[in-house]
Amino acid sequence: EAGVTQFPSHSVIEKGQTVTLRCDPISGHDNLYWYRRVMGKEIKFLLHFVKESKQDESGMPNNRFLAERTGGTYSTLKVQPAELEDSGVYFCASSQVGTGDTEAFFGQGTRLTVV
Amino acid sequence: AQSVTQLDSQVPVFEEAPVELRCNYSSSVSVYLFWYVQYPNQGLQLLLKYLSGSTLVKGINGFEAEFNKSQTSFHLRKPSVHISDTAEYFCAVSKYNFNKFYFGSGTKLNVKP
Repeated sequence: EAGVTQFPSHSVIEKGQTVTLRCDPISGHDNLYWYRRVMGKEIKFLLHFVKESKQDESGMPNNRFLAERTGGTYSTLKVQPAELEDSGVYFCASSQVGTGDTEAFFGQGTRLTVV
Repeated sequence: AQSVTQLDSQVPVFEEAPVELRCNYSSSVSVYLFWYVQYPNQGLQLLLKYLSGSTLVKGINGFEAEFNKSQTSFHLRKPSVHISDTAEYFCAVSKYNFNKFYFGSGTKLNVKP
C-alpha cells in the first residue's frame, strides 16, 4: 500500500512567486494534516482537514497560505506570494478518523526554498 | 497550550554505546506522548508512543522511553546503538491520540564507528 506522498520533493522559487505543494494521503484516510519546519526549529502544525472540511487552521501563518482538499482526497497548499521566511520543509500526514489507536503517517516532506 | 523541549540538538555517540535523548514537555492537560524518527531523505516514522498504562514503553528498533509525570519527561533510550540509528529524532505531544502534534526541535543522533 502506498504511503503518504508529497510533490514536489524540492522547490526553489523567487520571492514573490507562487508555489503549490501537493499531498496525497493514504487511501481511506479522512484526516489530513499539514506541518512546517523552519530550519533547525520545531515542526509546527499548520492545519487539519477532515475529508474536505477544515477542522482546525489555527496554525496557518497568514493569508498568503491557502490549503484546499477538494473531494476529500489529495490536498494542496498554495503560497502566494512567497516570502523568504516561508522557506522550510512542509510535511503532510494522514490518519483514519475514529476512536482508538489510529496512527498518523507522514510523508517525506517538500523542501521549499524562497530566494 | 502544550510545548516540547528537546535540550540536545545533536548527540554524538559511538556504535554499541548506550544513548538517551531527552524530552521534556509542558501541558495544562493530560497528553499523549510520541517519539518519531526521520532517516535521511525519508518521512517521519513512529518509534513509540505513550497513551496510558505502563510508563515504560517499548518501540521499534530496540528503543524504549519512560514517561515520568512528576518530571514531565519522556526520555528515549537505547542500550546499544548501531550506525543505522543515525537520524533525527523528534519528541511530540498531542492532546488527543495522533491529532495535532506539538513537536520538539529535534535531536540529531550521530552514531560513529
